[in-house]
Amino acid sequence: GDSVTQMEGPVTLSEEAFLTINCTYTATGYPSLFWYVQYPGEGLQLLLKATKADDKGSNKGFEATYRKETTSFHLEKGSVQVSDSAVYFCALIPGGSYIPTFGRGTSLIVHP
Amino acid sequence: DVKVTQSSRYLVKRTGEKVFLECVQDMDHENMFWYRQDPGLGLRLIYFSYDVKMKEKGDIPEGYSVSREKKERFSLILESASTNQTSMYLCASREGRGRGSTEAFFGQGTRLTVV
Repeated sequence: GDSVTQMEGPVTLSEEAFLTINCTYTATGYPSLFWYVQYPGEGLQLLLKATKADDKGSNKGFEATYRKETTSFHLEKGSVQVSDSAVYFCALIPGGSYIPTFGRGTSLIVHP
Repeated sequence: DVKVTQSSRYLVKRTGEKVFLECVQDMDHENMFWYRQDPGLGLRLIYFSYDVKMKEKGDIPEGYSVSREKKERFSLILESASTNQTSMYLCASREGRGRGSTEAFFGQGTRLTVV
């Protein structure tokens, strides 16, 4: 079946450090890929998405590139801020399906 | 602005009570989902619905049921609440099948405590 694997957290960084959160997937067909962010006590918000191979999604300084050859969709940001502290979820929706599948989430803690 | 609204942010219920969690979306989406979120386990799908009065079991349906009488509303029902159902419950909605590029939209979550 379809699945998403994320690196375990928490990831702890100092402000202005470089961020990478790894995500790999297994899916039938050609999935669309997503990153969601969850701030404390809130629901999930879409951060960025990519719908086909080699697409790059970007938003608020975050980027991720859809790599079909390595079945990966790693999240990166060049300089994190304290306000980026949250839980990040990688997700996929297979082509022709309607059910999102999520990774377990990675907690990011950014210190001043 | 698109919106998925869950009826309660926090709920405290007693063991054995029947509990209703309500979710409403204003985007005319065909698909709606209920997930529960627990530390270390991520989001697990309880039930989903792809049309009015239609429902299918997700990965962990035991102890839950759902109702979708109107397109915009999807209710999760805990028939007899137990302490192991203490969790964060998230409702989501999405456009119809085959539109793989469109994202799911989430409500703010309901943190349920069963005592």
